[in-house]
Amino acid sequence: SQQGEEDPQALSIQEGENATMNCSYKTSINNLQWYRQNSGRGLVHLILIRSNEREKHSGRLRVTLDTSKKSSSLLITASRAADTASYFCATIWNQGAQKLVFGQGTRLTINP
Amino acid sequence: NAGVTQTPKFRVLKTGQSMTLLCAQDMNHEYMYWYRQDPGMGLRLIHYSVGEGTTAKGEVPDGYNVSRLKKQNFLLGLESAAPSQTSVYFCASSAPGTGDIQYFGAGTRLSVL
Repeated sequence: SQQGEEDPQALSIQEGENATMNCSYKTSINNLQWYRQNSGRGLVHLILIRSNEREKHSGRLRVTLDTSKKSSSLLITASRAADTASYFCATIWNQGAQKLVFGQGTRLTINP
Repeated sequence: NAGVTQTPKFRVLKTGQSMTLLCAQDMNHEYMYWYRQDPGMGLRLIHYSVGEGTTAKGEVPDGYNVSRLKKQNFLLGLESAAPSQTSVYFCASSAPGTGDIQYFGAGTRLSVL
């Protein structure tokens, strides 16, 4: 079964607004990553947050991690049309296997 | 710097046919992965490799075989294609010690009729 689950499955907002999407996972993790996938393309890594970090920023992206709740959130501020994409969280198991497990993704649409 | 390159980009097969998908990376990464992505779902790991000459099963390995004869290449084979293997296939690579940040190819869209 998949480790991560994103919420909501789809999100539609106006350009300039902030977009927040959430990820929940099941088991202990070393780190959690967020990826973006534009339509018809491969995934692109956005940001990685380690299990001992609570918040991380990268440009207009802000990621939080709550290991007690096994959840993470991705905030995109001042959204742009180019942010329209699917966003996936991915976790790596801490059992030593170098494998990422992806959630089902949040489909984000930015309306002009 | 091309990154991860997948060939072909599109393919249509008939049930029972075989084919090989090729993945090539020029980043000297040790680890390589094959995923499939089906509508409304995230990526599911088929097989992966932690180094030249090594392969291991992922979450959904049945019906697929892989080989990693050269460090830069990772091949995914379908010996007898089935309609259930209609999917988009992604290859990725990563380097150890980087938190396993993965770099993806553009994907291969496969239809099995």
